[in-house]
Amino acid sequence: ETGVTQTPRHLVMGMTNKKSLKCEQHLGHNAMYWYKQSAKKPLELMFVYNFKEQTENNSVPSRFSPECPNSSHLFLHLHTLQPEDSALYLCASSQFGPAGGSITGELFFGEGSRLTVL
Amino acid sequence: GQQVMQIPQYQHVQEGEDFTTYCNSSTTLSNIQWYKQRPGGHPVFLIQLVKSGEVKKQKRLTFQFGEAKKNSSLHITATQTTDVGTYFCAGTAYSGAGSYQLTFGKGTKLSVIP
Repeated sequence: ETGVTQTPRHLVMGMTNKKSLKCEQHLGHNAMYWYKQSAKKPLELMFVYNFKEQTENNSVPSRFSPECPNSSHLFLHLHTLQPEDSALYLCASSQFGPAGGSITGELFFGEGSRLTVL
Repeated sequence: GQQVMQIPQYQHVQEGEDFTTYCNSSTTLSNIQWYKQRPGGHPVFLIQLVKSGEVKKQKRLTFQFGEAKKNSSLHITATQTTDVGTYFCAGTAYSGAGSYQLTFGKGTKLSVIP
């Protein structure tokens, strides 16, 4: 139990489907992150939220749409994905966000959502 | 932008041998963190180094932060099969306008042959 919970753990979807990944942190942290992990790029930062505000979007295609309704919850909405988007999607949280004027401190990762796009 | 290079990409060792992974940054770092990801698992924080020349030990693991705060290393003495996994370094650097950027290296995948 890391304090960061991701659902679903596994997801298979077609290219025309719409699905969402959910992340919840129980650590009282102020920043949350989405990372993509694949064989080609082991830990690729996608989005950062600090106090519910998006502070970083790492040139991610619009078919990935993040949502952060509060400091404890983070979603990644998926639509019209491509097979190359198949990967492990990791959510993480930290005490502070990188845009908060403070060093982030350690990241706590969830167990990830393994996505397969057919 | 900030780049963090980690070598080697893969390392196969006989159980009982030592192992070292190296991390080099293109910019001076505020701190460096190390994470371990077991096969099928998620990255787990190991340690953070902040001071120039800092050395920290955790049992058989020794972590070093370079004097110039641009490089770091993780050394494992007498590897065991439980050490198998991918080790990532992550460096934090000031990126301007009150922001810090955390950048992960590509990781070193360690295999231990019993």
